[in-house]
Amino acid sequence: DQQVKQNSPSLSVQEGRISILNCDYTNSMFDYFLWYKKYPAEGPTFLISISSIKDKNEDGRFTVFLNKSAKHLSLHIVPSQPGDSAVYFCAASGIGAGSQGNLIFGKGTKLSVKP
Amino acid sequence: ETGVTQTPRHLVMGMTNKKSLKCEQHLGHNAMYWYKQSAKKPLELMFVYNFKEQTENNSVPSRFSPECPNSSHLFLHLHTLQPEDSALYLCASSQVGGSGANVLTFGAGSRLTVL
Repeated sequence: DQQVKQNSPSLSVQEGRISILNCDYTNSMFDYFLWYKKYPAEGPTFLISISSIKDKNEDGRFTVFLNKSAKHLSLHIVPSQPGDSAVYFCAASGIGAGSQGNLIFGKGTKLSVKP
Repeated sequence: ETGVTQTPRHLVMGMTNKKSLKCEQHLGHNAMYWYKQSAKKPLELMFVYNFKEQTENNSVPSRFSPECPNSSHLFLHLHTLQPEDSALYLCASSQVGGSGANVLTFGAGSRLTVL
């Protein structure tokens, strides 16, 4: 059974508007959550992370929100740009993910930002 | 060369062939990983090596055989694969043992097709 779920396989947003990508998890022992971005023909690249003891982390246009009681996190991109079009993966680590530091990934959400 | 490099980028092999995927990291990290990405599935962790020692084998069939001769190099030896093994194989590295999230740096992947 999937421990990290991204239930929206795709999302389309207009340039300049906000993109909100969602992720749910089942294991309350995860201690870190990460977002990765993947362009075609490239490996995933790290975007932003959040510790389980925080509820928000911001880096430029990217903000991640964590709701531990709901076991839910979201990535906000504002304003969205066409270059943000990619597949976004949510990942989690901690007890329940195996050995120290292993990441458990979701299936990804393909974001399309239209000019 | 910088980051994590994988060769070959594309590989087509028959079910009776023996081939190897190679990964090299130039980041001074102490852990290396193999992940498998199949269509419409999450990235699946296959193997983890910490300080050249295998610490995780995620129930991977024996037709996949990893080798880690040193902390900078990782191989995945392939033998008598099945068509369902066709996927993108991603190598990653990270520095484990410190505080904070375990951020993996990925290579661009090796696209494997088994005929």
